[in-house]
Amino acid sequence: GQQLNQSPQSMFIQEGEDVSMNCTSSSIFNTWLWYKQDPGEGPVLLIALYKAGELTSNGRLTAQFGITRKDSFLNISASIPSDVGIYFCAGSAFQGAQKLVFGQGTRLTINP
Amino acid sequence: NAGVTQTPKFQVLKTGQSMTLQCAQDMNHNSMYWYRQDPGMGLRLIYYSASEGTTDKGEVPNGYNVSRLNKREFSLRLESAAPSQTSVYFCASSERSSEKLFFGSGTQLSVL
Repeated sequence: GQQLNQSPQSMFIQEGEDVSMNCTSSSIFNTWLWYKQDPGEGPVLLIALYKAGELTSNGRLTAQFGITRKDSFLNISASIPSDVGIYFCAGSAFQGAQKLVFGQGTRLTINP
Repeated sequence: NAGVTQTPKFQVLKTGQSMTLQCAQDMNHNSMYWYRQDPGMGLRLIYYSASEGTTDKGEVPNGYNVSRLNKREFSLRLESAAPSQTSVYFCASSERSSEKLFFGSGTQLSVL
């Protein structure tokens, strides 16, 4: 079956630093999404990508759909304390949420 | 605006006990999902309901049953709980099979 490898698994940064994380798939995907999970809450959608090479921003967050269609990247600029949480990538080769595969998550910790 | 509401928030069961996790959404979404989240792993789909009146197995359905009671409500039942079912359970909903999922805040279940 499809597998996602998300890295890094955890990050410890200083407030104000930029953050980069990525996901790679063992097969080609047609959809990539990035979710964020705050402690004690469910994941919240940040960005959805539907086209190879697509670059989409949401405030200080920017995500890209890799041109190989096997990877995606999320960047956070000028991190702030509320960026703390777990970031999940999710992807699918087929239409429909039931086909989504989730990465293991990147846990982001910020030192003020 | 409540979104997706899950109950209970926490639950402790003994091996062999049964229980039902409740989920309701107020966004008029057609599709609803149950996921489990285990440490170091991504979200894994247990069951989903693409529309009212239909349910289908996801990646890890063994030991669970579901009921789509109406368009708003989708419950998950553990008939005979096992320690391997200790996990955090998330209900989610979306517009007709859209990958843009809206999650509840989760149920932390421990089976002793």
